[in-house]
Amino acid sequence: SYELTQSPSVSVSPGQTATITCSGDKLGTKYVSWYQQKPGQSPLIVIYQDTKRPSGIPERFSGANSGHTATLTISETQTVDEADYYCLAWDSSTVFGGGTKVTVL
Amino acid sequence: QITLRESGPTLVKPTQTLTLTCTFSGFSLTTRGVGVGWIRQPPGKALEWLALIYWDDEKRYSPSLKNRLTIIKDTSKNQVVLRVTNMDPVDTATYFCAHELDGDFDSWGQGALVTVSS
Repeated sequence: SYELTQSPSVSVSPGQTATITCSGDKLGTKYVSWYQQKPGQSPLIVIYQDTKRPSGIPERFSGANSGHTATLTISETQTVDEADYYCLAWDSSTVFGGGTKVTVL
Repeated sequence: QITLRESGPTLVKPTQTLTLTCTFSGFSLTTRGVGVGWIRQPPGKALEWLALIYWDDEKRYSPSLKNRLTIIKDTSKNQVVLRVTNMDPVDTATYFCAHELDGDFDSWGQGALVTVSS
């Protein structure tokens, strides 16, 4: 079955750039979406179709997808961005990555 | 505005069947391309996709769980039901339903915590 791999954690200082990666076989040929989940809350979509931002999502969130790796970039990271982030793609079935905990300190 | 709400038992015994209902508003499950999915999250762990049902009644299941899952829709009630048979303590999780369009889950319910214990 298809698998998506994310690094477990990323630490970033406020104002710096956080880069979260998601890797999978030929991932660049599939659409990837990204979800932010804060403690006790439901996931929130922040990027869809690799690069698109839903309305209301700040411009500091951006996405890319090529080869075997998709990337979520948070520019000028703020403390409110501290959360778990999950990638999702569809192969023969819908698959989530294992999640990356972003710590802002 | 799309809203979804999960409902069902908070506690089930091992071997029992879990039945969860997702009641939604703000969209119709008769609209072309629209789907409703179920995703779960064990405490402290990652999201896991379970099942999807589409406007045309196409159904998709997680390969690892498909023998235990059934998803159905009732468009007249704006509801989607998920059944999970033979529940086990490892199935303890928060179960979410979500609106799906073009492969993306763009609106989620608040989630329902289900504990499996005797």
